Amino acid sequence: DQQVKQNSPSLSVQEGRISILNCDYTNSMFDYFLWYKKYPAEGPTFLISISSIKDKNEDGRFTVFLNKSAKHLSLHIVPSQPGDSAVYFCAAIRAGNNRKLIWGLGTSLAVNP
Amino acid sequence: DVKVTQSSRYLVKRTGEKVFLECVQDMDHENMFWYRQDPGLGLRLIYFSYDVKMKEKGDIPEGYSVSREKKERFSLILESASTNQTSMYLCASSSATDTQYFGPGTRLTVL
Repeated sequence: DQQVKQNSPSLSVQEGRISILNCDYTNSMFDYFLWYKKYPAEGPTFLISISSIKDKNEDGRFTVFLNKSAKHLSLHIVPSQPGDSAVYFCAAIRAGNNRKLIWGLGTSLAVNP
Repeated sequence: DVKVTQSSRYLVKRTGEKVFLECVQDMDHENMFWYRQDPGLGLRLIYFSYDVKMKEKGDIPEGYSVSREKKERFSLILESASTNQTSMYLCASSSATDTQYFGPGTRLTVL
């Protein structure tokens, strides 16, 4: 059973526009969420995170929003750049769960020039 | 700067061979992880370790074992490689902050 779901396998956006990547989760015990970016043939790179006590975290062009009542988070990239083209993974941690990350299956983002 | 290295970027082995994948981190992290990534399946946790000589099974431990004799090194062992173990293998480490830092990955092909 997939506890972290990224329902869009792929997303295509024009350069300069906003990219919105979505993630839903089922376990209300998750207390920390992370986004990773992965290029082909490379390891994932940490992008941004958010604690469940917050509803927004911002780092440059990247903003993560958390809606706990809807069990939904989203990553906004503004403005999108061609170098942002990659697979984006959402991950969550449950308090007391040996700090294992529970991963979504990823969304492939293509930013077109 | 955070550094996780893996012994090989590409590896080709034959069915039945014993395979060792090595991972080293220089951040003094307590936790280390081995994943495999396959198309459409995301990242799946094979084993993890939260201390030297300690290990726990992840979601898909069958066919694998691990060794952590030193804090900075975590090895993944395929006792008898099979073709269904052809995959991208990713090592990661983390401390109490929970952010996992990944190595570049090893693309293993088993013929």
